Amino acid sequence: DAKTTQPNSMESNEEEPVHLPCNHSTISGTDYIHWYRQLPSQGPEYVIHGLTSNVNNRMASLAIAEDRKSSTLILHRATLRDAAVYYCILRETAGANSKLTFGKGITLSVRP
Amino acid sequence: AAGVIQSPRHLIKEKRETATLKCYPIPRHDTVYWYQQGPGQDPQFLISFYEKMQSDKGSIPDRFSAQQFSDYHSELNMSSLELGDSALYFCASSSRGRGNTEAFFGQGTRLTVV
Repeated sequence: DAKTTQPNSMESNEEEPVHLPCNHSTISGTDYIHWYRQLPSQGPEYVIHGLTSNVNNRMASLAIAEDRKSSTLILHRATLRDAAVYYCILRETAGANSKLTFGKGITLSVRP
Repeated sequence: AAGVIQSPRHLIKEKRETATLKCYPIPRHDTVYWYQQGPGQDPQFLISFYEKMQSDKGSIPDRFSAQQFSDYHSELNMSSLELGDSALYFCASSSRGRGNTEAFFGQGTRLTVV
C-alpha cells in the first residue's frame, strides 16, 4: 500500500481556515486521495476524496498538487466540532475491493 | 439516510469466551470491511468481503473468523478471547469498494475482555 505522511498535530483558532497537509510521494496513477476524520469514541467519517483535480464539498476542499505527491485538506472555517484526528489515505482504483489503510493521522485542536 | 449499523454497541466478555459482532451495511452496499482500534491507536484493517466472498485479509488473528451473508450483513466471530482483544471494532461498507467511492463506518462495538 502506498504510504502517506502527515504532521502529528496542528492547532487552529475557531472560525479561521485550516490547512492540513499530506505527503504521498509514492502515489500511483490509479490511487485516489481520501480524507477521513475520527472524533473521540466515534467511527471514522468520510470527508472528501479526489484523483487529480481540486474538489469541494460541503465539509471541506481538497487541493491536490500538480504532481500528485502531496495534497491539502482545507477546512474553510474551523469550528470546535472539527476537532478530530484527520487521516489522509490512498485508495486504489483498480479491483472490486480496496481497503482503507489508516496511518498516523493528524490531530487537529481548535481553540475557542 | 440509513447508516451502517453495528451490534451490540458494548460487549463485556471473560477471557477464553467467544464473541460475535454483527454489521449491517448501508442498503445496496456490497463490500464490508472490519477494523480493530486499540486504545490510543489507529484503526487496523482485519478483513473484508465483496459480494459475500472474502476479498482481503489483514492482521486478523487465527482465533477470529468472519463471513458475509446473503443479505450482505457480516459477522465477526472471536474465540478464545484474550485481554488484548479489548478494543473498538468498526465495520464499514462501500459500494463496489473501488477507489473512487467512499466508505461509511458504523459507530463501532466496544469489546471489553476481563
